[in-house]
Amino acid sequence: SYVLTQPPSVSVAPGQTARITCGGNNIGSKSVHWYQQKPGQAPVLVVYDDSDRPSGIPERFSGSNSGNTATLTISRVEAGDEADYYCQVWDSSSDHYVFGTGTKVTVL
Amino acid sequence: EVQLVESGGGLVQPGGSLRLSCAASGFTVSSNYMSWVRQAPGKGLEWVSVIYSGGSTYYADSVKGRFTISRDNSKNTLYLQMNSLRAEDTAVYYCARVRAGTYELDYWGQGTLVTVSS
Repeated sequence: SYVLTQPPSVSVAPGQTARITCGGNNIGSKSVHWYQQKPGQAPVLVVYDDSDRPSGIPERFSGSNSGNTATLTISRVEAGDEADYYCQVWDSSSDHYVFGTGTKVTVL
Repeated sequence: EVQLVESGGGLVQPGGSLRLSCAASGFTVSSNYMSWVRQAPGKGLEWVSVIYSGGSTYYADSVKGRFTISRDNSKNTLYLQMNSLRAEDTAVYYCARVRAGTYELDYWGQGTLVTVSS
């Protein structure tokens, strides 16, 4: 089965840039989606199809995908960005949906 | 406005059954792809099942043969029938709409907690 690997945690100072990686075999050939989840809340889609943003998501959230790594970048980090972030792909070979292991972003 | 509201969670004994419901508004369940995702306490997201607009269904290996996803078009509601429940099925269960073509989960419900314990 397809596996997506994320770093457990990322720490960043306010105003700086946070980068969260999502590793998978030839992930660059798949569409990658990113979700933000704050404590006690449902996940929220923040980036889809590698780099597109749903309406209402700030431009500070951006994504890229190439080779074996996809990246979610949060620019000018704010205290309100502190949350868990998950990447996700659809594995066409099994018709299964796969989530990454999750990354906790801490704003210092 | 798109809304998804789950219900049906609760405490159940190991080996027991439970049916979760997800009432949708603002769109038609039968015309969309719909999915269930769960999250064990303190753990990450785990995909459970999907039903496509054409009726095809798929399951995670961990629940295949025990869980059944279905929908009631007249009620615009998604269901998850869970049988032979185990302690490891304890989780918050979310329903979500899946966008066709790119397969992202664009709208999520607030979740319902299922606890499997004696």
